[in-house]
Amino acid sequence: AQSVTQLGSHVSVSEGALVLLRCNYSSSVPPYLFWYVQYPNQGLQLLLKYTSAATLVKGINGFEAEFKKSETSFHLTKPSAHMSDAAEYFCAVTTGGGNKLTFGTGTQLKVEL
Amino acid sequence: EAGVAQSPRYKIIEKRQSVAFWCNPISGHATLYWYQQILGQGPKLLIQFQNNGVVDDSQLPKDRFSAERLKGVDSTLKIQPAKLEDSAVYLCASNSGPRGETQYFGPGTRLLVL
Repeated sequence: AQSVTQLGSHVSVSEGALVLLRCNYSSSVPPYLFWYVQYPNQGLQLLLKYTSAATLVKGINGFEAEFKKSETSFHLTKPSAHMSDAAEYFCAVTTGGGNKLTFGTGTQLKVEL
Repeated sequence: EAGVAQSPRYKIIEKRQSVAFWCNPISGHATLYWYQQILGQGPKLLIQFQNNGVVDDSQLPKDRFSAERLKGVDSTLKIQPAKLEDSAVYLCASNSGPRGETQYFGPGTRLLVL
């Protein structure tokens, strides 16, 4: 079975500060990992994904994530937060041929002036 | 390229009533997914179609939920009868199917059951 744990349901940072959103996964086979962002009353938008190529993945809007197999982690970072980054972020994992996504419970990011 | 379309965007019904949601995937996408997102939780897969066949419906409450994808394009998800705990956002997503390929999500239908 596959699962994802997101530590911290709410994270607050100051504008210009580092953003770090944590994600740990559990999978019995090599996983594919995703970060999605959800703005209010909208669907999910892909930020970035890891599919067994480079372990450091760069995404849209200045976000990046590093796959660390030894730590079973895929944390999302951004060097400098912007007010427009305020949203809910979901980490997800898929394994196997069915491509089913298993999501974490989400982290609400608040950016303060 | 047009994205995944869903309608209606919002629906309010009384418990024990029925409701249906519609999804039109991105053109050419063979795989279509329906997810349920309860407030404060991540989306949970209800059903996955490959063309017009069901790949995974293990988490679909089949006593009240049904879904179809006629002709392998549009899909409808129905709830009959609705319960209070069905209040959620229902998200539709699509892709071409290969493992690891990005799923593209629609805006969702927000359902409130009173």
